Amino acid sequence: GAGVSQSPSNKVTEKGKDVELRCDPISGHTALYWYRQSLGQGLEFLIYFQGNSAPDKSGLPSDRFSAERTGGSVSTLTIQRTQQEDSAVYLCASRLKDGLQYQETQYFGPGTRLLVL
Amino acid sequence: AQSVTQLDSQVPVFEEAPVELRCNYSSSVSVYLFWYVQYPNQGLQLLLKYLSGSTLVKGINGFEAEFNKSQTSFHLRKPSVHISDTAEYFCAVSDQWFGNEKLTFGTGTRLTIIP
Repeated sequence: GAGVSQSPSNKVTEKGKDVELRCDPISGHTALYWYRQSLGQGLEFLIYFQGNSAPDKSGLPSDRFSAERTGGSVSTLTIQRTQQEDSAVYLCASRLKDGLQYQETQYFGPGTRLLVL
Repeated sequence: AQSVTQLDSQVPVFEEAPVELRCNYSSSVSVYLFWYVQYPNQGLQLLLKYLSGSTLVKGINGFEAEFNKSQTSFHLRKPSVHISDTAEYFCAVSDQWFGNEKLTFGTGTRLTIIP
């Protein structure tokens, strides 16, 4: 597609349930990032993928959070046993970065707004 | 480690007036600098970026920013704002070191244009 897409756009869940958030990066972008935007914490980095590997997971707030990327394209962020403090907008970004091409700019998707009741 | 400070959380400006949104950063290594804009219920859109070279960079929608290394600042300016500029603006940095990839953001400045 022309830009980064994310689904669902909105998700309401009950405390304790698991949720999966999906990100489709820009075609050809090998680097993919997840960020979280919340009222109390602002915009925080969660995890970075280069291809299917995640060399930087330093921003994942707890072991309830995990992410994977398959085929060097789509990524899924999973939150297990959701808590109310997980309520936030989850943003995905992608960037062109491979052996021959490199861009400094990260392009963001519209985000998934997660509300945990 | 890096940090970004946006001192003004909210900036109200009259339409057609100039505006400056302030950004200061801290880093032990050379950085790339970015300004992103977020319109209501949307993702982040790149306004402009500083990578190297000329310290004055021009972006979309008539915005520009100046990199000042000695003051570690990257303030965003526009000479005449429009109602459509109402949005939240985020300053961000990333290391120039190839390997540390994440963006570190400021807390954002909400720009409100008064008709």
